[in-house]
Amino acid sequence: QKEVEQNSGPLSVPEGAIASLNCTYSDRGSQSFFWYRQYSGKSPELIMFIYSNGDKEDGRFTAQLNKASQYVSLLIRDSQPSDSATYLCAVNKGFWAGNNRKLIWGLGTSLAVNP
Amino acid sequence: DADVTQTPRNRITKTGKRIMLECSQTKGHDRMYWYRQDPGLGLRLIYYSFDVKDINKGEISDGYSVSRQAQAKFSLSLESAIPNQTALYFCATSDSGEYEQYFGPGTRLTVT
Repeated sequence: QKEVEQNSGPLSVPEGAIASLNCTYSDRGSQSFFWYRQYSGKSPELIMFIYSNGDKEDGRFTAQLNKASQYVSLLIRDSQPSDSATYLCAVNKGFWAGNNRKLIWGLGTSLAVNP
Repeated sequence: DADVTQTPRNRITKTGKRIMLECSQTKGHDRMYWYRQDPGLGLRLIYYSFDVKDINKGEISDGYSVSRQAQAKFSLSLESAIPNQTALYFCATSDSGEYEQYFGPGTRLTVT
């Protein structure tokens, strides 16, 4: 089992729809969760981070965290063609790792928003 | 100006050559990382450094070495490049108290 798993996609949604991206993780001690967007050939760009159970909203983006079920999701409302990219989920390695905490990365989900 | 810069942005080199990729940051972060990204394999950590005197191997350090010349500079070397080191290389930084990472623009390396 991979430490951080994402559906590779592609996830295809029409313009204006809600895109829902999911990520599951295996380390129950994980405390910080991140969503990055990566356009083809470009570097990952931080979209949101979330630490607490529940929802966190930032503009058209909402991150949802459920630690009991060990998943984190990203909702993109009013999807635009410019949202077409790969979305990477990253999870910290857990409090037990102390100062050696590092981010563990999923392989990413490819999102295509069709005009 | 970009907070995290990488040089060169593109490089083509031959098998057996030594090559150095450089990373500089103006974010004032203590932690710096080197990743490589290959299609289907995602981001894989090569080396990371939590401060100038603290350097650690990542999951794929064989064939690579690093140098942390200053808080702001972290270099990655390929001592003898081989074709399967062809990849997109990213440098990233993070603050010691937080864990989100900020990436440089990447270096596309091709080893022929």
